[in-house]
Amino acid sequence: EAQVTQNPRYLITVTGKKLTVTCSQNMNHEYMSWYRQDPGLGLRQIYYSMNVEVTDKGDVPEGYKVSRKEKRNFPLILESPSPNQTSLYFCASSSPFPGQGAYEQYFGPGTRLTVT
Amino acid sequence: AQSVTQLDSQVPVFEEAPVELRCNYSSSVSVYLFWYVQYPNQGLQLLLKYLSGSTLVKGINGFEAEFNKSQTSFHLRKPSVHISDTAEYFCAVSDRVGGTSYGKLTFGQGTILTVHP
Repeated sequence: EAQVTQNPRYLITVTGKKLTVTCSQNMNHEYMSWYRQDPGLGLRQIYYSMNVEVTDKGDVPEGYKVSRKEKRNFPLILESPSPNQTSLYFCASSSPFPGQGAYEQYFGPGTRLTVT
Repeated sequence: AQSVTQLDSQVPVFEEAPVELRCNYSSSVSVYLFWYVQYPNQGLQLLLKYLSGSTLVKGINGFEAEFNKSQTSFHLRKPSVHISDTAEYFCAVSDRVGGTSYGKLTFGQGTILTVHP
């Protein structure tokens, strides 16, 4: 089954404790992205990657890091989480090719992060 | 830089009535346009997309949208809604530069559609 998986689904942590949210897709997609969703603000792109070792900032990259060492994985790293990073996070992947649903973003189930 | 404005944060409607969810965008280049739906406590699912060609795009669940380049709009419509259409709807835009999208997607703030019996 084609899917994007994220782990963990729920996480409660404390300020300053480094954490990583994993994201993996099995569709051989070139593009992967991370978004955060906050009430009234919609989804805002944090980082995106167009292929292995190619990443770029989205609209709200401060406080986040990413890496793309393998095509299927795109982890999101919070080196020193703060309460304003409490949010619902989504990973997504897409492909520019018509046979793979050109540019349609396939979303993971989300990770609800609480930073106290 | 691209931006998206969804003109209504909430739209209440009765079952079997028509509905229109409005979306305007701004971009200095050609764009790809999308509508996504998020049911309660779930991820996002693509409703429809405009990449090129016909400006009237049909999607899943009876939804359609029309791309209007002169008005920079991409409004979503359904002629008769069901209770099950209750969800949050997001409009999104991606710049098309040189015929390809560089993966940067900007979402609107979302419109909560509530269908009443």
